[in-house]
Amino acid sequence: DSGVTQTPKHLITATGQRVTLRCSPRSGDLSVYWYQQSLDQGLQFLIQYYNGEERAKGNILERFSAQQFPDLHSELNLSSLELGDSALYFCASSVEAVGEQYFGPGTRLTVT
Amino acid sequence: SQKIEQNSEALNIQEGKTATLTCNYTNYSPAYLQWYRQDPGRGPVFLLLIRENEKEKRKERLKVTFDTTLKQSLFHITASQPADSATYLCAPPRGYNQGGKLIFGQGTELSVKP
Repeated sequence: DSGVTQTPKHLITATGQRVTLRCSPRSGDLSVYWYQQSLDQGLQFLIQYYNGEERAKGNILERFSAQQFPDLHSELNLSSLELGDSALYFCASSVEAVGEQYFGPGTRLTVT
Repeated sequence: SQKIEQNSEALNIQEGKTATLTCNYTNYSPAYLQWYRQDPGRGPVFLLLIRENEKEKRKERLKVTFDTTLKQSLFHITASQPADSATYLCAPPRGYNQGGKLIFGQGTELSVKP
């Protein structure tokens, strides 16, 4: 158990809908990262927050947004969902803005 | 553009042997490189981080090397066990040291047979 929690575990929704994925980092970790993993793309970095501020951005679509709250938990919002958004979404956390990352169990999103 | 390549084919070895996995990077020189293990349907688990000024790093049965001339990192598991079967991912930062923005390789699937 990494200490990172993610909810929900599974999510099934229809195209065009909007969903919110939630992540609680390990106690004491200030940095939160979001990744998308699909079979053909591998693990893709989406975005990083450090102590409430956006720190780095990857190939995150404009339909996706995220934020980190004062209690350091983070949410990833996915809107106007498409079939291709079906994937495993992982959250990870680290103590500082760099260094080893601890991953949560993931949220499996299925868009039908 | 920056590229990370790992053995695309699965590696099958016998229990007790040493597994060696390769990670090659091109078009840049990262300040460090991380290795992770991932089991099917689960989140990656951090194993080791090696910096550019470290030639080799060890942790129990694991050993990582970092050759900045060859632009390559090797990951070794000695005395391998069936429980070591998993996908292993190498992950340098995007750019020399772009914070936590990691590029993950596609991974090498290791299967250790009893």
